[in-house]
Amino acid sequence: NAGVTQTPKFQVLKTGQSMTLQCAQDMNHEYMSWYRQDPGMGLRLIHYSVGAGITDQGEVPNGYNVSRSTTEDFPLRLLSAAPSQTSVYFCASSSGQANEQFFGPGTRLTVL
Amino acid sequence: GESVGLHLPTLSVQEGDNSIINCAYSNSASDYFIWYKQESGKGPQFIIDIRSNMDKRQGQRVTVLLNKTVKHLSLQIAATQPGDSAVYFCAENYNNDMRFGAGTRLTVKP
Repeated sequence: NAGVTQTPKFQVLKTGQSMTLQCAQDMNHEYMSWYRQDPGMGLRLIHYSVGAGITDQGEVPNGYNVSRSTTEDFPLRLLSAAPSQTSVYFCASSSGQANEQFFGPGTRLTVL
Repeated sequence: GESVGLHLPTLSVQEGDNSIINCAYSNSASDYFIWYKQESGKGPQFIIDIRSNMDKRQGQRVTVLLNKTVKHLSLQIAATQPGDSAVYFCAENYNNDMRFGAGTRLTVKP
């Protein structure tokens, strides 16, 4: 099993550009989530999904969209990148919201 | 709002010694807690978890203690090794809302 995979590993954007961060898992997990990690702060939940076709907002959803068309994939879209979105983004999956989460390797995003 | 925090941002120990990393949580209703290890440039990795109906849980070289009276969680690592050097952070869950602490950086000196 590959576990949770994320692409790209690194990305540099200019302000106003859009892009999609990809996330996939092969563990047949229903629950998937996106976090951002900033220096000196804990992981903050952006969006999450409890199953295909269902998504919901987390703690810091503004500026991001998600969709869950399949169990395996959970892409995160930045509609119009801003410098405040410079961060490391982690995707995670688990068999349930209150269970152990498996994290991907992260995407380091810089917005100029 | 409620938050998860750590007492110390950094911890340095000698190889072979035991390490204790502490975490204070604010929500007395939290019912599930996890410790994660994060090495540089990698995603967080699950170490051990504990539910609120327990006060101690042991894994391989790691023990988690939960003191609900003072809302305190600790991670004990026995015989700390250089490979244990990483950032460790705790997470608490209440009503399917998982919140993470900022982390403690553990450095193991040879």
